[in-house]
Amino acid sequence: ETGVTQSPTHLIKTRGQQVTLRCSSQSGHNTVSWYQQALGQGPQFIFQYYREEENGRGNFPPRFSGLQFPNYSSELNVNALELDDSALYLCATKGWEYAEAFFGQGTRLTVV
Amino acid sequence: AQSVTQPDIHITVSEGASLELRCNYSYGATPYLFWYVQSPGQGLQLLLKYFSGDTLVQGIKGFEAEFKRSQSSFNLRKPSVHWSDAAEYFCAVGRDSGGGADGLTFGKGTHLIIQP
Repeated sequence: ETGVTQSPTHLIKTRGQQVTLRCSSQSGHNTVSWYQQALGQGPQFIFQYYREEENGRGNFPPRFSGLQFPNYSSELNVNALELDDSALYLCATKGWEYAEAFFGQGTRLTVV
Repeated sequence: AQSVTQPDIHITVSEGASLELRCNYSYGATPYLFWYVQSPGQGLQLLLKYFSGDTLVQGIKGFEAEFKRSQSSFNLRKPSVHWSDAAEYFCAVGRDSGGGADGLTFGKGTHLIIQP
């Protein structure tokens, strides 16, 4: 149990729709990263938020966006869903720059 | 650009036998190296990490890994596997303990199957 909670656990969306995934972290964890894990692949870094600002981004298009709130919970938003967006989405949080990151259980997104 | 290669997609080991999972990395600076385990439908659990010091690192669940700079390798080992070790194993590289603003770069994973 890492104290990192993601919701929902599963959801199904239609191509072209928009989706919001949520992540809440342990108290004091001010940094959150999001990863996309396609079936049979390793996780790929989407972006990182530190104190409500995006401070790092992987090779993902702008339709992947995020928010971090004052309580450090976070959202991942994906617009104009494509079939290839079907994946497990993981968030990871940490409390300070060089600390270990703790992963949530993930949200399984299926786009049909 | 950094990259991680796990050459074995699947490995089958008998319960009680020893295990070695291979990992090679490419990174421009001194990396943090990690091994994570993922059970089906679950998130990632950190087994161990390395940055500096003793090149043999001990982790949880009886796992250890050895860093070899000359070979750019960070192989994971366990002297005697248990059926509960069946899972997906990921090697990763990053610029600090949590990956830094560039995040962690993961390999594609090795699926470990345990035979009774």
